[in-house]
Amino acid sequence: QKEVEQDPGPLSVPEGAIVSLNCTYSNSAFQYFMWYRQYSRKGPELLMYTYSSGNKEDGRFTAQVDKSSKYISLFIRDSQPSDSATYLCAMSGLGAQKLVFGQGTRLTINP
Amino acid sequence: NAGVTQTPKFRVLKTGQSMTLLCAQDMNHEYMYWYRQDPGMGLRLIHYSVGEGTTAKGEVPDGYNVSRLKKQNFLLGLESAAPSQTSVYFCASSYTLPGLAGVGVETQYFGPGTRLLVL
Repeated sequence: QKEVEQDPGPLSVPEGAIVSLNCTYSNSAFQYFMWYRQYSRKGPELLMYTYSSGNKEDGRFTAQVDKSSKYISLFIRDSQPSDSATYLCAMSGLGAQKLVFGQGTRLTINP
Repeated sequence: NAGVTQTPKFRVLKTGQSMTLLCAQDMNHEYMYWYRQDPGMGLRLIHYSVGEGTTAKGEVPDGYNVSRLKKQNFLLGLESAAPSQTSVYFCASSYTLPGLAGVGVETQYFGPGTRLLVL
């Protein structure tokens, strides 16, 4: 069993929809949770990070962490075609030198 | 500030040939990483370095070697390329963000990638 599981999709939604992307994990030592966005033929870039259970908002993006269920989510409100990308979750423990990545979910927002 | 750069951007090799991928960063980061990304497999860590002169194995190190002679450069070598090494290779360097209990969290800044095709 992988430490981090993420549905690879693909996921296709109409413009303006609310998108929910999710990851589950098995390692209770994970304390930091990140979401990376990767456009086609580009390197991943950090979108958001959090280390607390609950919600963290940044514009149209909300990261949600439920440590008791070992489940994290990224919500995108009012989705735009420019949000079309692969979204990767990543996690690490306290003081860890490495990140553990999910497989990535490929998202397409249709105009 | 160029960030993380990778050389070359694209390369075609024949089975058995060798090559070196170069990663350079100008942000004075201590940690650097090499990943490969394959369809359906996500990002897999090949090797990483926590400082000049030090390297460590990641999840999929076989068939690769690395060196970190200078802090700003991290080289990935393929001694005898195999078709299974056809992939997109990403280099990353690590920076610290505020974290729990005063312990920062290392997160990563990625380069643009190198596409490698081994025939």
